[in-house]
Amino acid sequence: NAGVTQTPKFRILKIGQSMTLQCTQDMNHNYMYWYRQDPGMGLKLIYYSVGAGITDKGEVPNGYNVSRSTTEDFPLRLELAAPSQTSVYFCASRLIGTPSSGNTIYFGEGSWLTVV
Amino acid sequence: AQSVTQLDSHVSVSEGTPVLLRCNYSSSYSPSLFWYVQHPNKGLQLLLKYTSAATLVKGINGFEAEFKKSETSFHLTKPSAHMSDAAEYFCVVSDRGFKTIFGAGTRLFVKA
Repeated sequence: NAGVTQTPKFRILKIGQSMTLQCTQDMNHNYMYWYRQDPGMGLKLIYYSVGAGITDKGEVPNGYNVSRSTTEDFPLRLELAAPSQTSVYFCASRLIGTPSSGNTIYFGEGSWLTVV
Repeated sequence: AQSVTQLDSHVSVSEGTPVLLRCNYSSSYSPSLFWYVQHPNKGLQLLLKYTSAATLVKGINGFEAEFKKSETSFHLTKPSAHMSDAAEYFCVVSDRGFKTIFGAGTRLFVKA
């Protein structure tokens, strides 16, 4: 059981480049999230999804896009990377809606992104 | 609307002394509350969670937290700090909706 897997772990981008952070979970969770964590700060929600085909904006969505074509995958797309997007990105998932789900959020190990 | 406030940006204790990390929350509904720990350059690990069962919640590594509805608090405690406890701790609130809000974090320093 791999849990939540994010790739890549580290990436350096030039200003204006685009890239996709991949996230996949094998726990059949319905909810998935992308957070960013700036140095010395807490986590901010970028986008979330409550199930395949459904996504919505979080607190800081500008400059990002997501899709949820399958239950397992929730990629985060950065278009026209900017230095302000230098951050650590965490993907997370949880199961909501069953008595045994417990509401626990499971996190990936993070993706360190630097935009120069 | 829900929110979470961690009252201290950093806490410093000596090894072997008690740890108290404070968290207040605001939620329109009965919330689920969590504490997560993040060691340097690592991902987030669940310490414990409250989901409307017992108000005193025991977690891993000797940590526990007490849900106090009247005070809207969910403080994290440990009787005796270890050097390995030095990390960043996040209080998290989640109501019956889908958004999950993180506190700004409290960095715990443990002195030898």
